[in-house]
Amino acid sequence: DVKVTQSSRYLVKRTGEKVFLECVQDMDHENMFWYRQDPGLGLRLIYFSYDVKMKEKGDIPEGYSVSREKKERFSLILESASTNQTSMYLCASSGLAGVGEQYFGPGTRLTVT
Amino acid sequence: QKEVEQDPGPLSVPEGAIVSLNCTYSNSAFQYFMWYRQYSRKGPELLMYTYSSGNKEDGRFTAQVDKSSKYISLFIRDSQPSDSATYLCAMSLPRSASKIIFGSGTRLSIRP
Repeated sequence: DVKVTQSSRYLVKRTGEKVFLECVQDMDHENMFWYRQDPGLGLRLIYFSYDVKMKEKGDIPEGYSVSREKKERFSLILESASTNQTSMYLCASSGLAGVGEQYFGPGTRLTVT
Repeated sequence: QKEVEQDPGPLSVPEGAIVSLNCTYSNSAFQYFMWYRQYSRKGPELLMYTYSSGNKEDGRFTAQVDKSSKYISLFIRDSQPSDSATYLCAMSLPRSASKIIFGSGTRLSIRP
């Protein structure tokens, strides 16, 4: 079974703090993704990575950065958290085989106050 | 216009009913079509996928793709309370199967 884990289920941070969200997958997948999910807006892609140290911007990269130093780990960084970054953050991974279906972690509910 | 449109619901039906969930899309180049199910406070999980047009059946679930109308459907027969979840359609292009476009999800509730 594919397992994608995220470092925290719930996180509360203050405006201006630097926030790290960690994601680890155990299926040796090449691709990893960070999304945020908001009511009425669905899943929006922030960044994705198709290889170690490689990254591409998604639809809403502003205010975020990412790091992928090892194949199994993909980190999302909020350089200076703002209240409009309060959201559910979902990490996903996919391999090169099949239709590229993505496997998701349980999500991190981030609240910025 | 969004690339993928999905009615957000919520949709509430009695147990045992047939449920029909739908998405429309604008990009005729999409080739892979997926349905994800997301339970409350969990990440989405892949339910079914189809390649190009046609139907695919898996137990009580049937996925249908009509490329001429740019319309996909998910049917749930004999719906159960455990089917209560948000259902997201998703699709991708042939050479970028790793990058998937998701619908915003339909919230479904099955009343016992």
